[in-house]
Amino acid sequence: DTGVSQDPRHKITKRGQNVTFRCDPISEHNRLYWYRQTLGQGPEFLTYFQNEAQLEKSRLLSDRFSAERPKGSFSTLEIQRTEQGDSAMYLCASRQKGPNEKLFFGSGTQLSVL
Amino acid sequence: KNEVEQSPQNLTAQEGEFITINCSYSVGISALHWLQQHPGGGIVSLFMLSSGKKKHGRLIATINIQEKHSSLHITASHPRDSAVYICAVRGGAQKLVFGQGTRLTINP
Repeated sequence: DTGVSQDPRHKITKRGQNVTFRCDPISEHNRLYWYRQTLGQGPEFLTYFQNEAQLEKSRLLSDRFSAERPKGSFSTLEIQRTEQGDSAMYLCASRQKGPNEKLFFGSGTQLSVL
Repeated sequence: KNEVEQSPQNLTAQEGEFITINCSYSVGISALHWLQQHPGGGIVSLFMLSSGKKKHGRLIATINIQEKHSSLHITASHPRDSAVYICAVRGGAQKLVFGQGTRLTINP
């Protein structure tokens, strides 16, 4: 499978716990994005990496959220002290450098905070 | 007012009908994406446009930069076209701003 992979597909956790999601982009893609989507809404931008550098971060990303892409390949998104409002689908996408390059999405990680 | 507005929010049609989904945006953009999302979350990029028109199979996407408007058309619609169609725009920065999506249902 040469697409964008996300793990896990589903995560159920109790409020207050920490969770970490992983995204493996398409290997030659240097740009990686994290989005969050709640039911019935379009995705919302969370953060963007170019190689290992985190170049943009949404105001939606509180101090409890952190993302890394240490070697410019896979990325992790961690949520500390989860809250019920964090329940959403977390989507990762990647693309190559260039203005005309399409975006490729992973299947997402569905987080449910109880 | 959202930066990206789609219409209609829901659309139900019969198989074979010509479908149009509209997207209006209020900011200057460098590119506009049309995406398809099936139940279960998977999102597929259909088109990326910065001007003019693109066609792929039964799908056609157009954009009018002056009017800040784009349309996605589906000819000879089929039940397998049933999905949520999302418009997303990219301004000068890298982030995409998404519309709320149009839920399309094609009945046999």
